Amino acid sequence: EAQVTQNPRYLITVTGKKLTVTCSQNMNHEYMSWYRQDPGLGLRQIYYSMNVEVTDKGDVPEGYKVSRKEKRNFPLILESPSPNQTSLYFCASSLRGQGIGTEAFFGQGTRLTVV
Amino acid sequence: DQQVKQNSPSLSVQEGRISILNCDYTNSMFDYFLWYKKYPAEGPTFLISISSIKDKNEDGRFTVFLNKSAKHLSLHIVPSQPGDSAVYFCAASAPYNQGGKLIFGQGTELSVKP
Repeated sequence: EAQVTQNPRYLITVTGKKLTVTCSQNMNHEYMSWYRQDPGLGLRQIYYSMNVEVTDKGDVPEGYKVSRKEKRNFPLILESPSPNQTSLYFCASSLRGQGIGTEAFFGQGTRLTVV
Repeated sequence: DQQVKQNSPSLSVQEGRISILNCDYTNSMFDYFLWYKKYPAEGPTFLISISSIKDKNEDGRFTVFLNKSAKHLSLHIVPSQPGDSAVYFCAASAPYNQGGKLIFGQGTELSVKP
């Protein structure tokens, strides 16, 4: 079954404690990205990757890091989480990043609370 | 600045009637537009898309209309069903020099009442 898997689904952490949210896709997609969803703001892109070892900032990259060492995995790293990073996070993958094949497949989301 | 806007946070429709969800955008270089549907506790799922060279695309009960001169698109659901109750996100595919990313609107929560 084609899918994007994120872990964990729910996470409560304290300010400053490093955490990683994992994301894996089994569709051999080149393009992967991370979004955060906040009330009234929709989905905003944090980082994206057009292929292995190619990553770039999205619209709200501050406080986040990513890596793309292999095609299927795209972890999101919060080195020093702060309360304003409390949000619902989605990982997505797509065949390509533009035009045909842009349809993205999303993971089920990770609800992060930073206290 | 918000390049893709959905100005209606919510919409309530009677079962069997038409639902019309609207979306406006500012960047004339967007080449594809997409609609996603999201149920609570799930990730968004792709619903329907339209190329910027077309003005209409239909898939069963769902039709997307694109008015490039007005930089406006809409999603029509006919007839609406209770299972259509969800949050609908409009998205636009950015030009290559902007990373080819999807830019999403704020979402519209559709409630279809029996």
